[in-house]
Amino acid sequence: DIQMTQSPSTLSASVGDRVTIACRASQSISAFLAWYQQKPGGAPKLLIYKASSLESGVPSRFSGSGSGTEFSLTISSLQPDDFATYYCQQYNSYPLTFGGGTKVEIK
Amino acid sequence: QVQLVESGGGVVQPGRSLRLSCAASGFTFSTYGMNWVRQAPGKGLEWVAVIWYDGTNRFHADSVKGRFTISRDNSKNTLYLQMNSLRVEDTAVYYCARDRRQQLVLDNMDVWGLGTTVTVTS
Repeated sequence: DIQMTQSPSTLSASVGDRVTIACRASQSISAFLAWYQQKPGGAPKLLIYKASSLESGVPSRFSGSGSGTEFSLTISSLQPDDFATYYCQQYNSYPLTFGGGTKVEIK
Repeated sequence: QVQLVESGGGVVQPGRSLRLSCAASGFTFSTYGMNWVRQAPGKGLEWVAVIWYDGTNRFHADSVKGRFTISRDNSKNTLYLQMNSLRVEDTAVYYCARDRRQQLVLDNMDVWGLGTTVTVTS
């Protein structure tokens, strides 16, 4: 199974900050990586697929990069609506696996 | 609009069974692979199972293999998860989620339901 490791697990930031979340795969997954946002009590929401493609309707302040085993999600200017937990997920092979999550908190 | 609505959750004793359903609407259900993903209280997301758009293949996570079975009825636009021999550690919110692309395998998930809660306790 492919293990997905996210860092940091918690991130404290202020509105307007640029924030970056890292995700590492235990083996190469090419660009088969997605990012999701989840708010308390809500379902996950797809933000990025194929490592860097922005899902329709997602604000352009979100961007993804990377390939192989190293990936990142960047929020260029953090907005109040962005305080949430973020997960990466690989879809290179079954079983599909998620990272442990990164909670973005208000500083 | 595109929608997934889960049902069938509840409180059940260890060792018992439960069947979850996910009703799809607003899209051509029979052309999309479908998944179950769960989230234990205060924990992260765990993929549970996938079934291909035509039902010809299915995969389950090791943690549920032999106990849970994913299935679908394309005539009813409904996805199912039969859960047998339930354990305390199966307690979670269970989400159904659609593969983003039609008639392809190994994909991310672009539409999610709101989830149904399963609590396994004696």
